[in-house]
Amino acid sequence: EIVLTQSPGTLSLSPGERATLSCRASQSVGSNYLAWYQQKPGQAPRLLIYAASSRATGIPDRFRGSGSGTDFTLTINRLEPEDFAMYYCQQYDKSRTFGQGTKVEIK
Amino acid sequence: QVLLQESGPGLVKPSETLSLTCVVSGDSIRNGHWWSWVRQPPGKGLEWIGEIYHSGTTNYNPSLKSRVAISVDRSTNQFSLKMISMTAADTAIYYCARVYSMVVAPLNFDFWGQGTLVTVSS
Repeated sequence: EIVLTQSPGTLSLSPGERATLSCRASQSVGSNYLAWYQQKPGQAPRLLIYAASSRATGIPDRFRGSGSGTDFTLTINRLEPEDFAMYYCQQYDKSRTFGQGTKVEIK
Repeated sequence: QVLLQESGPGLVKPSETLSLTCVVSGDSIRNGHWWSWVRQPPGKGLEWIGEIYHSGTTNYNPSLKSRVAISVDRSTNQFSLKMISMTAADTAIYYCARVYSMVVAPLNFDFWGQGTLVTVSS
């Protein structure tokens, strides 16, 4: 099983700042089969990024995914108030597993 | 717009079987994507349960495989989850989701239902 470890657990930032979220895999994720999801309280997850760096339909370009192999990053430039939420990475190379999540909260 | 809607009991007794259904609209289950179940215990992270193709081919989370069965009904454009021997540890929000697929290979989740809370308690 590929274990995904997200860091930090919580990120406290102000609107307008940049958020950098990390997702590290216990083994290489083939074909960059890694996605990022945003989840707000009481809502289902929403797909942001797939294939490590491709933005899903309708996702603003301030969301950027990068990385390969075992190290992946989600960068959110110029945080908007609606970006404060929980973020999960997920690999779909070998079966499917999720990271434990990073909470981006308002400082 | 693809919409998914879960339905089922909100309360299940310990040792009983959970049955949930997901109705899909805005897409046909036969259109080449996979269809999946994911759960989330209150205040915790996401756990993939399993997925099904319209042919009936399934993939399951190894940790749940012995207790889970996913089926599909092409005539009503819906798919279902059965989980046996429920315990309090299975209390969670259960989501159904579409798995975007290319050339039959299941990839990422792209559309999600709103989720349904299932509580296991006597």
